[in-house]
Amino acid sequence: DAKTTQPNSMESNEEEPVHLPCNHSTISGTDYIHWYRQLPSQGPEYVIHGLTSNVNNRMASLAIAEDRKSSTLILHRATLRDAAVYYCIPRCPLKSRNQFYFGTGTSLTVIP
Amino acid sequence: GAVVSQHPSWVICKSGTSVKIECRSLDFQATTMFWYRQFPKQSLMLMATSNEGSKATYEQGVEKDKFLINHASLTLSTLTVTSAHPEDSSFYICSATLGGASQETQYFGPGTRLLVL
Repeated sequence: DAKTTQPNSMESNEEEPVHLPCNHSTISGTDYIHWYRQLPSQGPEYVIHGLTSNVNNRMASLAIAEDRKSSTLILHRATLRDAAVYYCIPRCPLKSRNQFYFGTGTSLTVIP
Repeated sequence: GAVVSQHPSWVICKSGTSVKIECRSLDFQATTMFWYRQFPKQSLMLMATSNEGSKATYEQGVEKDKFLINHASLTLSTLTVTSAHPEDSSFYICSATLGGASQETQYFGPGTRLLVL
């Protein structure tokens, strides 16, 4: 499985955009890049995922580098409810076991 | 979105007892469920993959006789921590997959906090 590198922590002011980076230089060509977040004392929740193209949904945008060795999760306007640990997880859907392996993630603090 | 529940949400037990945690997919059928463990200030660690109607697949270093997994139906998987000890105290989280094989998203339960005295 591809290894990931994320900043341990980041801060953002409320209502400002946040760019959360993830390096996954060993990613294979068939790995999708998934992002999940975990609010305190809760299970993780799905944020977004993509393969090559940039992706948008109601929660966030995902910008994937052309060489796919890195990606950036973009929260367009951070709110206090976005304070969480964010995990990027490369995963190959062709692998039969379909497991997710979590790295250390980035703890996002949103400042009012 | 798909909902996964866990029961109980927290449990306190004495050392040496066994504890069963249930994971249910409420509005979809899940042929595969996963069990994770998370210690304070740490990331989630995958323990095992639970397949409906077959034996679970355990990650390296996870004792299958200690953590018994049963996936008897398409909506229920159970994790039993046998002869629990204080070092088993942790946050246990299950997840289930939904979607086509190409882009399966995992939906996580709210977690079960276990404290072994």
